[in-house]
Amino acid sequence: AQSVTQLGSHVSVSEGALVLLRCNYSSSVPPYLFWYVQYPNQGLQLLLKYTSAATLVKGINGFEAEFKKSETSFHLTKPSAHMSDAAEYFCAVSYNAGNMLTFGGGTRLMVKP
Amino acid sequence: EADIYQTPRYLVIGTGKKITLECSQTMGHDKMYWYQQDPGMELHLIHYSYGVNSTEKGDLSSESTVSRIRTEHFPLTLESARPSHTSQYLCASSESTREQYFGPGTRLTVT
Repeated sequence: AQSVTQLGSHVSVSEGALVLLRCNYSSSVPPYLFWYVQYPNQGLQLLLKYTSAATLVKGINGFEAEFKKSETSFHLTKPSAHMSDAAEYFCAVSYNAGNMLTFGGGTRLMVKP
Repeated sequence: EADIYQTPRYLVIGTGKKITLECSQTMGHDKMYWYQQDPGMELHLIHYSYGVNSTEKGDLSSESTVSRIRTEHFPLTLESARPSHTSQYLCASSESTREQYFGPGTRLTVT
């Protein structure tokens, strides 16, 4: 069965520092990969997605992620954290035509002033 | 971008009551999903639908039921609410491009 692992349930950075949120997946076939963000008391918003085109994917709000097949990773980065980036981030993977998503456990990003 | 709506956003209800959580989308997506999410926790799929008159149970066992009579509408019903049903419920829809679009969620509290 497919799985997604997000290393670090909580990540804290200072404002202006690099953001790195880690995601690893298990698969023997190329998956579709997604990063979602969830602000308090809201639904999930799509940040970016990988669909086997370019390995470096740019998303909204200055975020990007790089697909590394050899490492089965899809880490999310942002060069400079902003206070408004504080939220819960979910990595997800899709393998089938039914568009079913398997989510990681989530990482709470905290940004210190 | 999909528009997907959930009502109510917040609901506090007593034990034993019947409730229906509404979910509607305006993009004509065939696939729709219900997730349950406890605060600060991961999402668990409880129901999904691939189209009208199609419903399936998800990975997490749930006492709720769903129906899909119209493409745009995917309500979730609890016949007798219990405190263990207290959670956030998220509805989503998708089309051929794989990503799911989420509604704002309904936060349910059963007292």
